Amino acid sequence: RKEVEQDPGPFNVPEGATVAFNCTYSNSASQSFFWYRQDCRKEPKLLMSVYSSGNEDGRFTAQLNRASQYISLLIRDSKLSDSATYLCVVTSYNQGGKLIFGQGTELSVKP
Amino acid sequence: ETGVTQSPTHLIKTRGQQVTLRCSSQSGHNTVSWYQQALGQGPQFIFQYYREEENGRGNFPPRFSGLQFPNYSSELNVNALELDDSALYLCASSFRQGDNEQFFGPGTRLTVL
Repeated sequence: RKEVEQDPGPFNVPEGATVAFNCTYSNSASQSFFWYRQDCRKEPKLLMSVYSSGNEDGRFTAQLNRASQYISLLIRDSKLSDSATYLCVVTSYNQGGKLIFGQGTELSVKP
Repeated sequence: ETGVTQSPTHLIKTRGQQVTLRCSSQSGHNTVSWYQQALGQGPQFIFQYYREEENGRGNFPPRFSGLQFPNYSSELNVNALELDDSALYLCASSFRQGDNEQFFGPGTRLTVL
């Protein structure tokens, strides 16, 4: 079983749609959680950190459920520019600096 | 841009050859991590360097090795290349050891024929 698993993609949605990505992690010692965005053939870039209390950044909302070892990302009012691959990332307390990535979920927003 | 640079951008090698990839970290960052990203997969941690010492390693064989220099730049060396080594190799720098906030370079795309 992979340490971090994400919804298989791709997700094809119209502009303005709301889309949700799910991610589960297997290591209960996981300490920190992130969503990264990766554009085609480019490097990953940090989108947002994920906190137990949930956090929001504009149209993006991230949630963490430690009991279920589950992370989510919600994108409201999708824009064409949101088209990218979204990577779920966790780290462990005793392995600080080692980012463990999911396989990514591709999002394509259509006009 | 993150300020992390990598060279070369693309590289084509044949099986059995050796390759060296280079990374310059962002100014003020003393820690460099290397990741391998195969097509359609998320990046996988190879190893991390802090103050010129290897500081953590992922599930990669010994033919993957690295160096970090006094200016914190880094090299990734892969010996006896295999077809499955074809991937995007990403370097990420962070302000200090253990930092989870990492800044990625544009990557080197390696093709092994």
